[in-house]
Amino acid sequence: AQKVTQAQTEISVVEKEDVTLDCVYETRDTTYYLFWYKQPPSGELVFLIRRNSFDEQNEISGRYSWNFQKSTSSFNFTITASQVVDSAVYFCALRRKGGSEKLVFGKGTKLTVNP
Amino acid sequence: GAGVSQSPRYKVAKRGQDVALRCDPISGHVSLFWYQQALGQGPEFLTYFQNEAQLDKSGLPSDRFFAERPEGSVSTLKIQRTQQEDSAVYLCASSFSPPGGTGELFFGEGSRLTVL
Repeated sequence: AQKVTQAQTEISVVEKEDVTLDCVYETRDTTYYLFWYKQPPSGELVFLIRRNSFDEQNEISGRYSWNFQKSTSSFNFTITASQVVDSAVYFCALRRKGGSEKLVFGKGTKLTVNP
Repeated sequence: GAGVSQSPRYKVAKRGQDVALRCDPISGHVSLFWYQQALGQGPEFLTYFQNEAQLDKSGLPSDRFFAERPEGSVSTLKIQRTQQEDSAVYLCASSFSPPGGTGELFFGEGSRLTVL
């Protein structure tokens, strides 16, 4: 079975602080994909990143960075110099390669960035 | 349209009523998914279409839930004899990706169903 755990339910920071959102996953598959999505108040899930299980290189995109560690089954997301517009619910998700293409989501972390 | 369009955005139903939720995916997208998101929870998979074929319906919670995509484009999620536990946001997503691909999923804004 596949499972994604986001232990942080809510995080509140002040603008310009760095913040890390944790994600731990469980899967028996050797090949799989990991995702992060952002859900602003409008409700639409916005794709942020996809990582393949065989590519453990960390990735940086502007103020966003991701740390994938297969040894600890973690795929953490860091926002540097947070901004008010970063306030949203963030979801980590897992998908196996092949078969049904469904995503298994964590319960999400609500991030509030205060001015 | 430019994105995935869902209607209605909000629906209030009395317990026992039937409801139909529509999803208009991005033109040309092969894959279409329905997810159910309860308040404060992550989305949970309901069903998946590849063109008009429903390839996975393992997430549908009961036989009161039915989805179709007859022409491989617009999809409808129907819930019969609604119950209070059906109250949730129903999200539709589409992808250009062929089977086994790694394409990005584009989500609609969802249809919020409230069953009284």
